[in-house]
Amino acid sequence: GAVVSQHPSWVICKSGTSVKIECRSLDFQATTMFWYRQFPKQSLMLMATSNEGSKATYEQGVEKDKFLINHASLTLSTLTVTSAHPEDSSFYICSASPGPRQETQYFGPGTRLLVL
Amino acid sequence: GEDVEQSLFLSVREGDSSVINCTYTDSSSTYLYWYKQEPGAGLQLLTYIFSNMDMKQDQRLTVLLNKKDKHLSLRIADTQTGDSAIYFCAGGRGGATGRRALTFGSGTRLQVQP
Repeated sequence: GAVVSQHPSWVICKSGTSVKIECRSLDFQATTMFWYRQFPKQSLMLMATSNEGSKATYEQGVEKDKFLINHASLTLSTLTVTSAHPEDSSFYICSASPGPRQETQYFGPGTRLLVL
Repeated sequence: GEDVEQSLFLSVREGDSSVINCTYTDSSSTYLYWYKQEPGAGLQLLTYIFSNMDMKQDQRLTVLLNKKDKHLSLRIADTQTGDSAIYFCAGGRGGATGRRALTFGSGTRLQVQP
């Protein structure tokens, strides 16, 4: 089946540093990937839509200069949290859908970020 | 945009059936999904239903869709302790130009008591 991986699975960093999170589709190509954020005991909120070869589309209220998204290939999208602050601590999850006829989305295992 | 609502908590005994309910507002949602999230883990796709279907059954899981009332339910038969998790319903629209992001409900925490 379709597998999406994320790396790292969790990361602790100091305030002010930048953190890069990778999202990979392992056995399919994904022209579009999505980045979500989940706070404790809350639902997933879409942050941005990542399109291969073009700029990401950000949701209202999400700072594009703070959350840099790069979709370098059909199997890799990266999210970089720049100048991280404690309020950026969260669970970041990516998803991707295989093929133009597939409507299901498969989610990565998530990356837990803790900013001290 | 779409709003998706779920009850927050459900507790059942092992062996009973569980029914998790979800309501949505966007009648143009093409697909409706159920995901399972275990503590500290990502989302696992359980099942999905196309909007022109009324019911879909997959082993212990039965999805019912009432388009008129915009109501979706997930029934888990013979619920086991391993089914304890948070269940999210989500709606999405397909598109010829690419995939659309999903709108998630708040999640229903299912607790299965032995």
